[in-house]
Amino acid sequence: GDSVTQMEGPVTLSEEAFLTINCTYTATGYPSLFWYVQYPGEGLQLLLKATKADDKGSNKGFEATYRKETTSFHLEKGSVQVSDSAVYFCALSDPYNFNKFYFGSGTKLNVKP
Amino acid sequence: SQTIHQWPATLVQPVGSPLSLECTVEGTSNPNLYWYRQAAGRGLQLLFYSVGIGQISSEVPQNLSASRPQDRQFILSSKKLLLSDSGFYLCAWSADARQPQHFGDGTRLSIL
Repeated sequence: GDSVTQMEGPVTLSEEAFLTINCTYTATGYPSLFWYVQYPGEGLQLLLKATKADDKGSNKGFEATYRKETTSFHLEKGSVQVSDSAVYFCALSDPYNFNKFYFGSGTKLNVKP
Repeated sequence: SQTIHQWPATLVQPVGSPLSLECTVEGTSNPNLYWYRQAAGRGLQLLFYSVGIGQISSEVPQNLSASRPQDRQFILSSKKLLLSDSGFYLCAWSADARQPQHFGDGTRLSIL
């Protein structure tokens, strides 16, 4: 079945460091891919998305490229801020039933000043 | 603009007690609605989704049920809570299945 695998955290970085959070997926067909962010005590917020191969989603300095050949959707940011500290979730939607979302286990990011 | 409300924000219940969590959406019509559970240190698990009034799809057989009595209202229920029902419950909506889902702030449920 469909699934998403994320790198385990926590990831601890200093402010202005480069961030990569790895995400790979398993799915039949062509799923849409998403990154969501969860700040402490809150629900999830959509960060970015990509709906087809080679698409690049971007928002707030974060980027991720849909790589079908490697079944990956790694999240990157060139210079992180303390305010980026949160849990990041990679997700896909089932291409045969878009109501079904599959989430990774989340990666906690701690950014120190 | 659209908003989603969940309540209560936190809830402490004894084992064997009933449960009712409510979610409402404003600013949109005929949304798709979703209930997820996030267990401690784990990702989200889709529990139920609904594409219309009275239409409920269950993804994981368990001690919970869902209902959609009105277009923008989605209720998660249990007749008898188990310890394993503890977790963070999130409601979400989308304009249609191909659109991103938008989440509420969640309900933290603790079972004693």
